Amino acid sequence: NAGVTQTPKFQVLKTGQSMTLQCAQDMNHEYMSWYRQDPGMGLRLIHYSVGAGITDQGEVPNGYNVSRSTTEDFPLRLLSAAPSQTSVYFCASSRSGTGNNSPLHFGNGTRLTVT
Amino acid sequence: QQPVQSPQAVILREGEDAVINCSSSKALYSVHWYRQKHGEAPVFLMILLKGGEQKGHEKISASFNEKKQQSSLYLTASQLSYSGTYFCGTGSNSGYALNFGKGTSLLVTP
Repeated sequence: NAGVTQTPKFQVLKTGQSMTLQCAQDMNHEYMSWYRQDPGMGLRLIHYSVGAGITDQGEVPNGYNVSRSTTEDFPLRLLSAAPSQTSVYFCASSRSGTGNNSPLHFGNGTRLTVT
Repeated sequence: QQPVQSPQAVILREGEDAVINCSSSKALYSVHWYRQKHGEAPVFLMILLKGGEQKGHEKISASFNEKKQQSSLYLTASQLSYSGTYFCGTGSNSGYALNFGKGTSLLVTP
């Protein structure tokens, strides 16, 4: 039972490069989200999706793009990497919305460094 | 808007108790609690829903005060394995993702 799978685990980019962080879940969850974690800042929401074809912005969406073409996959794209995007990125999924008794399942994270 | 957690950090000796608080300026519908070990993903502990009862999980329990818009996590007779960073996440009735606090670092020493 894989749960939420994120790839890659580590990535180093140069300023201006673009890349896609992959996230896949095999639990048939409708809700998926991306968070970034920086020291002392907790987990901050970047983008989220409530189902295939539906996405919305979170607290810190600038510089990131998402799409949701299938229930399973929710990739996060960095359009032009900046040092401020150096962070640990977590993808999460849940069976239903946060108002229900449905926990978030997190992937193991991607540690991104932008030089 | 991020909920506010307190304290930021706490050090305990094994067997001691601790309370971690989470408060929000917005009306709460649900509060989630997660624990994260260094270098790992957050792990779910429990959810409290508006109108729900106090939840418990082994020696870890939590309460939810709707009027005060806050939740508290209680760790009793702490064990070394309780060390980590604890996050509360708040959700709304129509929400689809959580807003997390900045975390409370807990260290349990022998």
